[in-house]
Amino acid sequence: EAGVTQFPSHSVIEKGQTVTLRCDPISGHDNLYWYRRVMGKEIKFLLHFVKESKQDESGMPNNRFLAERTGGTYSTLKVQPAELEDSGVYFCASSQGGLAGDTGELFFGEGSRLTVL
Amino acid sequence: GNSVTQMEGPVTLSEEAFLTINCTYTATGYPSLFWYVQYPGEGLQLLLKATKADDKGSNKGFEATYRKETTSFHLEKGSVQVSDSAVYFCALSDPPGGYNKLIFGAGTRLAVHP
Repeated sequence: EAGVTQFPSHSVIEKGQTVTLRCDPISGHDNLYWYRRVMGKEIKFLLHFVKESKQDESGMPNNRFLAERTGGTYSTLKVQPAELEDSGVYFCASSQGGLAGDTGELFFGEGSRLTVL
Repeated sequence: GNSVTQMEGPVTLSEEAFLTINCTYTATGYPSLFWYVQYPGEGLQLLLKATKADDKGSNKGFEATYRKETTSFHLEKGSVQVSDSAVYFCALSDPPGGYNKLIFGAGTRLAVHP
């Protein structure tokens, strides 16, 4: 069974440009999460989808970030326009459940490294 | 707010040495606690977890005990191998009763030499 896949693995763009990151969760996983790790610091939560609905987007830094999950399958995270501080590794994760009683295990992709120059 | 603090790395050990990676947390209520590991070139994967006070999570020779009185969840292994070289992340669930969001520490890089 395929794991969580993310594209691209590395993107280098200039300040002011737009980048779109894609995540394909494990098939059948209703829950999809985006996290970000900046400069070797802690991994921070960005948002959580249940199917196509945004359950929690409290971690989104600002309105330059837009996440979508059309049809409840893959998700995209767009940064427009990109700023220097957006550089980091963006992780996507998925899980079958998401509420109390689930195993609590998130399955992560390898991450998309974004470098903004 | 809720947070996780891990010891800074890198931690460098010789094969068969004893490993401890400290993790303390701040949280309201009683969160579940996790250790995730990221091997080179791979995504994070769950190593072990504990869901209530005094629970011990264990996997692949690693152990961690949920200590409510010291708000800690230190990771230990009695004899590390070169293949254990990775970045280890401590995390807690937020809100405590569910798994909708994890709060991670900064990660601790472990390098094991033959």
